[in-house]
Order: sequence, then C-alpha cells, then structure tokens
Amino acid sequence: DVKVTQSSRYLVKRTGEKVFLECVQDMDHENMFWYRQDPGLGLRLIYFSYDVKMKEKGDIPEGYSVSREKKERFSLILESASTNQTSMYLCASSTSSRGTSLYEQYFGPGTRLTVT
Amino acid sequence: RKEVEQDPGPFNVPEGATVAFNCTYSNSASQSFFWYRQDCRKEPKLLMSVYSSGNEDGRFTAQLNRASQYISLLIRDSKLSDSATYLCGERFKEKLTFGTGTRLTIIP
Repeated sequence: DVKVTQSSRYLVKRTGEKVFLECVQDMDHENMFWYRQDPGLGLRLIYFSYDVKMKEKGDIPEGYSVSREKKERFSLILESASTNQTSMYLCASSTSSRGTSLYEQYFGPGTRLTVT
Repeated sequence: RKEVEQDPGPFNVPEGATVAFNCTYSNSASQSFFWYRQDCRKEPKLLMSVYSSGNEDGRFTAQLNRASQYISLLIRDSKLSDSATYLCGERFKEKLTFGTGTRLTIIP
C-alpha cells in the first residue's frame, strides 16, 4: 500500500514564527503536492513538485515556499506564519501522468495548523 | 467562475435510497476526472476514476458528459457507511483541481 506520512497531526504556532511541515512518501512517486483545506473553499493547491529540486506554484502560493531535496520528501515552509494560514494542510503524491491512463493522488493524514 | 463546482449539500438521504451528485467543470482540456471520498477529519481517498463516458463499481456509477462538461456520481442502495463528503476533481497534466465537496448523510 502507498503510504504518505506527515510529520505532525496537530501544530500550534505563534504569528511570525517559521513553520516547517514535512511529508514523506514511500512509493517512489515523481509528483508531490501541498494543499490546504478550508470550510467552504475546499482543497486548494499551494505548490507541487514533479521531480527532485523542481517546483511549481499552485493556485495560492503566497506566503509559502517548498523544498524537495530528495524524491521521497517534500517540505512546506511558512516563512512568517500569520493567523490566516490557520488551516488543514494535506500532502499528496502521485506517479507521473505521462504514458499512463492510470492516475491517482494519494493523500497523507493532514496537519491541522493553528496560528495564534 | 470556479473551475470545478459542486453542490455543497448537505444531502440527507434514507438508507436504501439512490442518490446522485453532479459536478461541473470549466476546463474543456481536462484529461480525466475523479470522485474522492473524505470522511470527517480524515484525508480524501479515491473512490472512482472516470476516463471516458463513465464506469461502474458495485453500487457506484460515475458518468462523464464532455459536451456539457459535467460528471456525476450515482450511489444505489445507500448504506449508513456511505455518509461522507464526496469531492469531484479534474486533471490537467499533473494537476488535480477539486470541487468544494458535497456532504452526504445517510439516515437510518
């Protein structure tokens, strides 16, 4: 079974702190994604990566950065946390869609971040 | 206009009934479509992929209408365990875009 793990289930940080959210997948997937999920707004893509050291902005990248130094690990960084970044953060991974009709994103359990 | 739109519900349906959800998308170049299920305080999990006109898996049927740009999910003989939020998604290249989800509660 594919396993996507996230470093914390719950996290409480203060405004202005630097926050690291870690995600690890064990299926040698090329793609990794970071989403945030908020009531009424659904899942919104923050950043994704299709290869080591490669990244692309999603729909809401402002206030976030990412790092992918190893294929299995994708980190989300909040340089200076703000209260409007309080949310559920979900990491996902998938194989590349090239050359296959099969495509599935597998999600981690999520990190509920509260910024006070 | 949102790229993927779905009725947020809630849908409260008696056990054993048939329920259908629709989801519209705006990107005519979308390559494939999905229904994910998300239980309360859990991560989304793939329920069905939809690659052509549609497919069926037991009590669940997903259909795609490219001309009208919508996908649907039909659940027959609903069970209490079907209570969840159902997210539709569309894929373009490596990215999925999701709707906000439809909340379904099956009533005993």
